[in-house]
Amino acid sequence: QQQVKQSPQSLIVQKGGISIINCAYENTAFDYFPWYQQFPGKGPALLIAIRPDVSEKKEGRFTISFNKSAKQFSLHIMDSQPGDSATYFCAATSDSNYQLIWGAGTKLIIKP
Amino acid sequence: DAGVTQSPTHLIKTRGQHVTLRCSPISGHKSVSWYQQVLGQGPQFIFQYYEKEERGRGNFPDRFSARQFPNYSSELNVNALLLGDSALYLCASSLPGATNEKLFFGSGTQLSVL
Repeated sequence: QQQVKQSPQSLIVQKGGISIINCAYENTAFDYFPWYQQFPGKGPALLIAIRPDVSEKKEGRFTISFNKSAKQFSLHIMDSQPGDSATYFCAATSDSNYQLIWGAGTKLIIKP
Repeated sequence: DAGVTQSPTHLIKTRGQHVTLRCSPISGHKSVSWYQQVLGQGPQFIFQYYEKEERGRGNFPDRFSARQFPNYSSELNVNALLLGDSALYLCASSLPGATNEKLFFGSGTQLSVL
């Protein structure tokens, strides 16, 4: 029940296209859902996050869509750029939980 | 301002040895968390410390221990190393009251156990 399932494992998108990464969770107590971006040799960096009281959050080219009834959330990267090539992780937690539960990651490659 | 700093960046040990990893949080951050990231997987929570007290512990054996110092820096200790302990060990800090929100990660310590 603590798992967060992420798909796809890897994704290749043409420059200018839309990248979509999906995550699903089971624990209904989760109330904070961040996405992290990790470049090789670096630690993860917070990209964008959402709470279940909204269905969508947009920051620049990055959008989180959240479906509470389906217990799913997704990251959309609009106008994908080669510099977006990285591994993306979804995660989930709750205020009473001291840990982030992470998905397995998606390696995104943007082809020029 | 300096981000989260971790040392050393790389470490090679043999089975059975002990290792100490160090972390300095961002200035003003009082919470430090440790995560283990095995290649190709998401990070796994090990510990969280706040104001020098352990607030949470993940599903790791007692060979793993940590502490936080008065200046909020932290050490992660692993005893009796196993091959399976080979991983990237990440330290993250956060502002008071935001223990899981806006975690700032260091670049990690890559531990190889031979």
